[in-house]
Amino acid sequence: ETGVTQTPRHLVMGMTNKKSLKCEQHLGHNAMYWYKQSAKKPLELMFVYNFKEQTENNSVPSRFSPECPNSSHLFLHLHTLQPEDSALYLCASSQVGTAYGGYEQYFGPGTRLTVT
Amino acid sequence: GQQLNQSPQSMFIQEGEDVSMNCTSSSIFNTWLWYKQEPGEGPVLLIALYKAGELTSNGRLTAQFGITRKDSFLNISASIPSDVGIYFCAGRDNNNDMRFGAGTRLTVKP
Repeated sequence: ETGVTQTPRHLVMGMTNKKSLKCEQHLGHNAMYWYKQSAKKPLELMFVYNFKEQTENNSVPSRFSPECPNSSHLFLHLHTLQPEDSALYLCASSQVGTAYGGYEQYFGPGTRLTVT
Repeated sequence: GQQLNQSPQSMFIQEGEDVSMNCTSSSIFNTWLWYKQEPGEGPVLLIALYKAGELTSNGRLTAQFGITRKDSFLNISASIPSDVGIYFCAGRDNNNDMRFGAGTRLTVKP
């Protein structure tokens, strides 16, 4: 595997379900990100992990819970979502210095989430 | 936070035509990036720009980092059907925050 991979690619879940999205990066990067992409809107940054430590949580509801067990893996745990949470969820990674957010971000293919 | 304005929102062009799109910001950026996203896929990095005035090419694509550091443009020459997709700009500000434009949806008619 190369680059950034995400599983599953598609997910349909009910509002009472619990599911998890997985992301893995094979680029040797030290920062990983979760973004939400809705139609005709800019990418919305949700969470940032820098050297496995969460450095940013952009006012994301607690029904989204990230987990970063190591610098190569990132999870997004989902619980009691709402229909408006339906979107494409993108994972990205980058190589940063001492500050978060520097350098190019490389994206995975995304998970298309539908909440029914 | 700083807003990125990307235009146009969409373009419908004939195969062989040149394309130009741009992004502007209310604040200075240190890095400009251009991505392309095809249906069902994540954004793919096309070009990265690091210095004001920098002009960089990647095949038929050319991007420039504006002198004021508040804008960037992307040109595609002699478009082909596989250029179809959504093109996003992204900028890194002085706080190292990355901002994304809303995208330009490109349609190329054969």
